[in-house]
Amino acid sequence: DIQMTQSPSSLSASIGDRVTITCQASQDITNYLNWYQQKPGKAPKLLIYDASNLQTGVPSRFSGSRSGTDFTFTISSLQPEDIATYYCQQYDNLPYTFGQGTTLEIK
Amino acid sequence: QVQLQQSGPGLVKPSQTLSLTCVISGDTVSSNYAAWNWIRQSPSRGLEWLGRTYYKSKWYTDYAGSVKSRITINADTSKNQFSLQLNSVTPEDTAVYFCVRQQWLFYFDYWGQGTKVTVSS
Repeated sequence: DIQMTQSPSSLSASIGDRVTITCQASQDITNYLNWYQQKPGKAPKLLIYDASNLQTGVPSRFSGSRSGTDFTFTISSLQPEDIATYYCQQYDNLPYTFGQGTTLEIK
Repeated sequence: QVQLQQSGPGLVKPSQTLSLTCVISGDTVSSNYAAWNWIRQSPSRGLEWLGRTYYKSKWYTDYAGSVKSRITINADTSKNQFSLQLNSVTPEDTAVYFCVRQQWLFYFDYWGQGTKVTVSS
């Protein structure tokens, strides 16, 4: 199975800060990576697909990029409604696998 | 707008079968561009993909190796729904279970509301 190593596991930031989360795949997955946001008691919500494509309706402060097997998710200016847990997920190979999540808190 | 409505018991006894159903509205289970998945989430295992079914001239299913011997995912075109059966459950199967649409075998774009299932006697 492909392992997705996500870091950090938690992050404290101030409103307006630039926030970055990384995810490293255990092997080459090309661009086959998605990012999700999950708020407590809710299902995950798709934000970014194919490493860098913004899902329809998602604010442009969210973005994603890839460098080899390393993937980066960025919030350019943190807003109060962005407090959530974020997950990466690969779909290059079955079984699909997720990172362990990054919980974002307000400083 | 696609909606997925889950139903099923929240408590299952050890060694018994966990059964959940997901009713689809706004799409069809036999769509040529979607797959229908089950994913679960627990504090110990995080988000775990369990399996999927999809139709491309015929029906296909794929399962995670961790549950392959115990899982069945079926589609019911007459009711536009799909289901999960997980046999011989143990307390380790305690989790929130989600039914999820996968667009073009790529990303998970619509999720059910989640069903918290506890395995306990």
